[in-house]
Amino acid sequence: KAGVTQTPRYLIKTRGQQVTLSCSPISGHRSVSWYQQTPGQGLQFLFEYFSETQRNKGNFPGRFSGRQFSNSRSEMNVSTLELGDSALYLCASSTGTAPISSYEQYFGPGTRLTVT
Amino acid sequence: LAKTTQPISMDSYEGQEVNITCSHNNIATNDYITWYQQFPSQGPRFIIQGYKTKVTNEVASLFIPADRKSSTLSLPRVSLSDTAVYYCLVGIDMRFGAGTRLTVKP
Repeated sequence: KAGVTQTPRYLIKTRGQQVTLSCSPISGHRSVSWYQQTPGQGLQFLFEYFSETQRNKGNFPGRFSGRQFSNSRSEMNVSTLELGDSALYLCASSTGTAPISSYEQYFGPGTRLTVT
Repeated sequence: LAKTTQPISMDSYEGQEVNITCSHNNIATNDYITWYQQFPSQGPRFIIQGYKTKVTNEVASLFIPADRKSSTLSLPRVSLSDTAVYYCLVGIDMRFGAGTRLTVKP
């Protein structure tokens, strides 16, 4: 079974621009979660989508948004990029039929975003 | 919301058993406890999950006392390839702690 895939793997953007990251979950998984990882803040939860609906949300500003399509693929968008948005953005998928904290998540390799 | 506290780092030697404890004093009734392992430049990988008492799989054991305010990940007979960061995750807000950087020495 193919794992979680994320595209692109690396990205360089300029402050003020916007960016869209893509995640394809494992086949059959309906839940997709997004995380930001930085050396200073560690792994932080952004949001989770299940069956095209946002089910959980972390504590990030509205510049961070996401969506999920009917095939469970998900995109994450960051508008008006700031230098502090430079991070590894990780996507994780799971079956998601139970509360998020009770199921195993499978993580992708991440997208390394650099904002200059 | 559950907040987790783990040691920042630990050192061990090949063949030893390693125990990493995570504190989660305000764990909620419905919260599960999950541990992940992360290598550099990779996404975290699921190790084990539990709700109470003890859980064991092919790579680790998880011990959870009756009050569930802490949990201990036990890695038997570690090898150099177990050098990684280990995260304890509790609660619906998916709050990963700072993680424990385990270094296994020869």
